[in-house]
Amino acid sequence: ETGVTQTPRHLVMGMTNKKSLKCEQHLGHNAMYWYKQSAKKPLELMFVYNFKEQTENNSVPSRFSPECPNSSHLFLHLHTLQPEDSALYLCASSQEYDFSPDTQYFGPGTRLTVL
Amino acid sequence: AQSVTQPDIHITVSEGASLELRCNYSYGATPYLFWYVQSPGQGLQLLLKYFSGDTLVQGIKGFEAEFKRSQSSFNLRKPSVHWSDAAEYFCAVGNAGNNRKLIWGLGTSLAVNP
Repeated sequence: ETGVTQTPRHLVMGMTNKKSLKCEQHLGHNAMYWYKQSAKKPLELMFVYNFKEQTENNSVPSRFSPECPNSSHLFLHLHTLQPEDSALYLCASSQEYDFSPDTQYFGPGTRLTVL
Repeated sequence: AQSVTQPDIHITVSEGASLELRCNYSYGATPYLFWYVQSPGQGLQLLLKYFSGDTLVQGIKGFEAEFKRSQSSFNLRKPSVHWSDAAEYFCAVGNAGNNRKLIWGLGTSLAVNP
């Protein structure tokens, strides 16, 4: 595997379900990101982890819970979601999340539908 | 407040024609500028970026962009479009320090007629 991979690619869940999204990067990077992409809205940064430490939480509702066990893996745990959470969830990585913006490398995304 | 504007929501060009996608930003300091492309069902791929130096930047797939500070613009260009260039194009702007989070434009959808 190369680059940034995400599983599953598609997910349909009910509002009472619990599911997790997985992201893995094979680039040797130290920073990982979760973004939400919705139609007619700019890309929304949700969380950033730098060297496994959460450095950004963009006022994301607690029904989204990130986990970064190591610099190569990032999870997004989902529970009690709302229909408006339906979107494409993108994972990205970069060398570091430091003083200046760095090139981010994106996975293909997970298309989430909440019924 | 910092913002990024991509004025064109959708553009259609003929294959072989030239292309220019516009990006305007509102930023207080010297910006870090990016163009990404997203093909259907894919994540975003970096086309090019500008941090400093020569204001004309060359990227992948034959794209280039020019940073014009006086116009607060970073327009993306390609002299001859190929059908495979049909995709969504995103401009993003960041800054060093506390504002290093990228601000993203809404994107421009490009269709290419054969």
